[in-house]
Amino acid sequence: AQKITQTQPGMFVQEKEAVTLDCTYDTSDPSYGLFWYKQPSSGEMIFLIYQGSYDQQNATEGRYSLNFQKARKSANLVISASQLGDSAMYFCAMREISGSARQLTFGSGTQLTVLP
Amino acid sequence: EAGVTQSPTHLIKTRGQQATLRCSPISGHTSVYWYQQALGLGLQFLLWYDEGEERNRGNFPPRFSGRQFPNYSSELNVNALELEDSALYLCASSTSGTGGSQPQHFGDGTRLSIL
Repeated sequence: AQKITQTQPGMFVQEKEAVTLDCTYDTSDPSYGLFWYKQPSSGEMIFLIYQGSYDQQNATEGRYSLNFQKARKSANLVISASQLGDSAMYFCAMREISGSARQLTFGSGTQLTVLP
Repeated sequence: EAGVTQSPTHLIKTRGQQATLRCSPISGHTSVYWYQQALGLGLQFLLWYDEGEERNRGNFPPRFSGRQFPNYSSELNVNALELEDSALYLCASSTSGTGGSQPQHFGDGTRLSIL
């Protein structure tokens, strides 16, 4: 069964600094996708970035990048130049591709607080 | 382009009642997913609909059910409500390609409170 682990319940970062949010996963499927979502206090889930298991390069989207280490089964999110608006809950999620299931399995999340 | 829309925003019910939550996917998306986000339990997968059919369901009792309409909108029904059903219910939509890279786009959720 697939599993996502986020070991940091809470993180603090100073405005304009970079921060890394950890995510490790476990799956027996050789083909899978990894996603990061942001959930502000208002509740909506905002898609940030995607990494496929066969992608050769780490994904980047603006200030977001994914540090993908396949052998270690980790997919850490790096946020550069943090802004106050980055304060939110961040979820790592995975979807196995080989089977017919398409739902996401989520980690428990990391609450990020950006300090002025 | 309109995002995923959910209604109502808030819903207050009492134990034993029935609740109906609604979701309209992004135009062009045929897959709809329902997730429950209860305090302390994280996001749990409930149901997946695609092209009008239920494709998969999570580990929830049968009193959680739903359907998808020809216009791809969806309804989640929860019967015989229990206190533990209090949660944020999130709907997501995606295209239904066979690859795994299509992100799911979420609505703002319906907060269901059981008194």
